[in-house]
Amino acid sequence: AQSVTQPDIHITVSEGASLELRCNYSYGATPYLFWYVQSPGQGLQLLLKYFSGDTLVQGIKGFEAEFKRSQSSFNLRKPSVHWSDAAEYFCAVAAGSSASKIIFGSGTRLSIRP
Amino acid sequence: DAGVIQSPRHEVTEMGQEVTLRCKPISGHDYLFWYRQTMMRGLELLIYFNNNVPIDDSGMPEDRFSAKMPNASFSTLKIQPSEPRDSAVYFCASSSGGNTIYFGEGSWLTVV
Repeated sequence: AQSVTQPDIHITVSEGASLELRCNYSYGATPYLFWYVQSPGQGLQLLLKYFSGDTLVQGIKGFEAEFKRSQSSFNLRKPSVHWSDAAEYFCAVAAGSSASKIIFGSGTRLSIRP
Repeated sequence: DAGVIQSPRHEVTEMGQEVTLRCKPISGHDYLFWYRQTMMRGLELLIYFNNNVPIDDSGMPEDRFSAKMPNASFSTLKIQPSEPRDSAVYFCASSSGGNTIYFGEGSWLTVV
């Protein structure tokens, strides 16, 4: 069965510092991969997605993620974080016969140090 | 474009009462998903529909939970009878083609 692991429950970084959030997936075939962000009291917003092609994908708000098949990873990065990036970040994998069953990781809460 | 619309946004109910959560997906989307989010269990997929037909309900916790999609623009998630452990945020989401799902803002349920 497909699964997603986000090993970091909570990360704190200083404003202006670089960020990398880790995500590992388990799925037999080539997965569809996503990163979503959730601000307090809000729904989830899509940051970026990987379906095929270039393994480095660009998203909104200056985020990017790299698909590494050999490591079963899809880590999210941002070169310089802003205080407004404080939120919960979820990695997800789409699986199933039509890649329609989307499973989320447990999330990583990002705090920004002034 | 209007996004996924959920109602109510907040509900407080007493244990044993019936709860009905409603969702209007994005027009033209053929997949609809119900998720539940709690601190302990994170974001769980409860059930999803394709073209109004339930495809996978393996995440529905027990018989007290039921979901319907009578037409392409409306779905309900019902809990009867409700229990305190059902307190959570329930998200509805929709997609076109089965991936890249778009979430509603959630229904915050408290059962006392």
